[in-house]
Amino acid sequence: QVQLVESGGGLVKPGGSLRLSCAASGFTFSDYYMSWIRQAPGKGLEWVSYISSSGSTIYYPDSVKGRFTISRDNAKNSLYLQMNSLRAEDTAVYYCARGLNSGWYWPWGQGTLVTVSS
Amino acid sequence: DIQMTQSPSSLSASVGDRVTITCRASQSISSYLNWYQQKPGKAPNLLIYAASSLQSGVPSRFSGSGSGTDFTLTISSLQPEDFATYYCQQSYSTPFTFGPGTKVDIK
Repeated sequence: QVQLVESGGGLVKPGGSLRLSCAASGFTFSDYYMSWIRQAPGKGLEWVSYISSSGSTIYYPDSVKGRFTISRDNAKNSLYLQMNSLRAEDTAVYYCARGLNSGWYWPWGQGTLVTVSS
Repeated sequence: DIQMTQSPSSLSASVGDRVTITCRASQSISSYLNWYQQKPGKAPNLLIYAASSLQSGVPSRFSGSGSGTDFTLTISSLQPEDFATYYCQQSYSTPFTFGPGTKVDIK
C-alpha cells in the first residue's frame, strides 16, 4: 500500500539545524511531486515546501525561504528537509505528503515532531 | 499570497444532522480547492479535490461545491466518526495555503 514514513524530528536549540527524512513505499516515487507541511501545536496547517518529481522545481513560503531546503533521492525513494537557523516558531509536527495532479495531497505520513527550545 | 478563510470556526452538531462548512479565497482560484479531515493525533486525510471530486474510499455523504472564491463542504448525515477538524486548501498558486480549520464536535 502507499505509505510515507517520516523520521528525524527531535529537540533542537534555537539557531540549530535538523534534517528530516521521509521514506516512500508502495508507489513509483519518481512520478510524483512531494511536499512538507507542518502543524504547530494546537494550530492549523502550513505548507512549507514543494519539490517536483525530478527535483528541478522547488517552492518555499517566505516564512522558511533561505533557511529550509527540500531535496529528494528518487533512487532511494526518499524525501528530505534540511532545516537551518531554527526558531521557536518552527516548533511543529512536520508531515510529508504526496502531491497529486493539480495540487492536492494524498496520502500524508504520520508526522515527526520538531521542538525548538533552549 | 492567497488567504483562505473558513466559517464557522467551530460547530456543534448531532448524529444525523446535515452540516455545511464554508471556505472563501481572497481571490479567484477557479476550482483549485481541496478539503481534508483531521482527527486528533492523526495526519490530515483528503476528502474532496478540485472542489467537488470525492477521493476514493471517502463516504458519499461528503460532498463539495463551489468555484471562484466561495466553496462549501457538506456532510449530508453526520456520523460519529465524522467528528473532527476540517481544512480547506487552495492549490491555484504557491504557497498552497490552508484555511484555519473548522472543528465539528458533538452537541
